[in-house]
Amino acid sequence: GEDVEQSLFLSVREGDSSVINCTYTDSSSTYLYWYKQEPGAGLQLLTYIFSNMDMKQDQRLTVLLNKKDKHLSLRIADTQTGDSSFYYCAEIYTGKLIFGQGTTLQVKP
Amino acid sequence: EAEVAQSPRYKITEKSQAVAFWCDPISGHATLYWYRQILGQGPELLVQFQDESVVDDSQLPKDRFSAERLKGVDSTLKIQPAELGDSAMYLCASSLETANTEAFFGQGTRLTVV
Repeated sequence: GEDVEQSLFLSVREGDSSVINCTYTDSSSTYLYWYKQEPGAGLQLLTYIFSNMDMKQDQRLTVLLNKKDKHLSLRIADTQTGDSSFYYCAEIYTGKLIFGQGTTLQVKP
Repeated sequence: EAEVAQSPRYKITEKSQAVAFWCDPISGHATLYWYRQILGQGPELLVQFQDESVVDDSQLPKDRFSAERLKGVDSTLKIQPAELGDSAMYLCASSLETANTEAFFGQGTRLTVV
């Protein structure tokens, strides 16, 4: 069945880089996503990567995809206190958008 | 900017009562999703529509939950009777097509069953 797993908690200092990891299920997923969710709010798409890519960079965000290991990571450069939030990776599995359980990112000043 | 509208934002109901949530997707989006998110967990897909048809409702507790999208536009999710364990955030999302496109989320409805 579908199972998207993430590291649950990450704490970094302001200005450091953050790396949030995710493993996914479906090797045939064509898109993989990273969403951000502020407490009590809906999910906001941060970035996505197409499965024929190994890396995608978008300003401070870098997504790395290892298809062999079904591993996805999100790197946030120069992490700011405003980046403190919940982060979810997601994949399309049998036509359904399936989410991991989320990673709490805590950024200390 | 187009967005997914959900109402109400917050709902408190007593157990055994009926409750309904409404979602209006972005215009032109054929696919509509309802997710349930329990505090501290990731969203769990309850039901997925393609236009007015249900594509997947395998995780929908059909003894008490129902969902419809009669004209293939807005959608209603109903719970009857509500149970304490139904307390959660209910999120609606829409996308242009079923797979491999961005899903846009509404702000959600926070349900508390007392």
